[in-house]
Amino acid sequence: QVQLVESGGGLGKPGGSLRLSCAASGFTFNDYYMSWVRQTPGKALEWVSFISKKGETTYYRKSVEGRFTVSRDNAKNSLYLQMNNLRTEDTAVYYCVRATVIAVDGVFYPEYFYYWGQGTLVTVSS
Amino acid sequence: EIVLTQSPSTLSLSPGERATLSCRASQTISTSLAWYQQRPGQAPRLLIYDASHRATGISPRFRGSGSGTDFTLTISSLEPEDFALYFCQHRSNWPTFGQGTKVEIK
Repeated sequence: QVQLVESGGGLGKPGGSLRLSCAASGFTFNDYYMSWVRQTPGKALEWVSFISKKGETTYYRKSVEGRFTVSRDNAKNSLYLQMNNLRTEDTAVYYCVRATVIAVDGVFYPEYFYYWGQGTLVTVSS
Repeated sequence: EIVLTQSPSTLSLSPGERATLSCRASQTISTSLAWYQQRPGQAPRLLIYDASHRATGISPRFRGSGSGTDFTLTISSLEPEDFALYFCQHRSNWPTFGQGTKVEIK
């Protein structure tokens, strides 16, 4: 069965960095686009980033663009999120998610989020 | 950006009752809407996609309906495990979520 296991969360300082990892199993990892979705302390869900099957295309929500970098290692069935210049508003549970995709004008976007990891908590505080 | 507004924020019901949750989009979105359930301490779980299609393994007591700007998730007869948080989501160009409806035991 599909399993997604996140790690790397913890306490980070404003302006600091953290790197999240997601180990995937139970499916052919390099056949799927992947996303990160976060849930704030107030329970709001926010899509964070999206990466293509080979990793050559990435997208981010505006508030993290330029600070976060999503990547993947298909040989290791792993997804990563490098989080730099952390802000207090980045505090959230971060989920690794496998989504369906839809093509619009030749560009692929995440559609619906089918499989979720258990999440890893990131707390940004001084 | 399309905004999804869910109502009510909290629904207090007893087991066996019917639950009706609403999600309204700020612009017409055809049937491009999903519903998720999140039980305490767990990740969200996809229930409904394309407004009315149940995801694999989802009980028939969950029914999604609507199109355009107004959508509804109906739980026909609440089981104890259905008391949870529910979110709607639109794919748009970039996904957006509603703020959630908590279904709690009355």
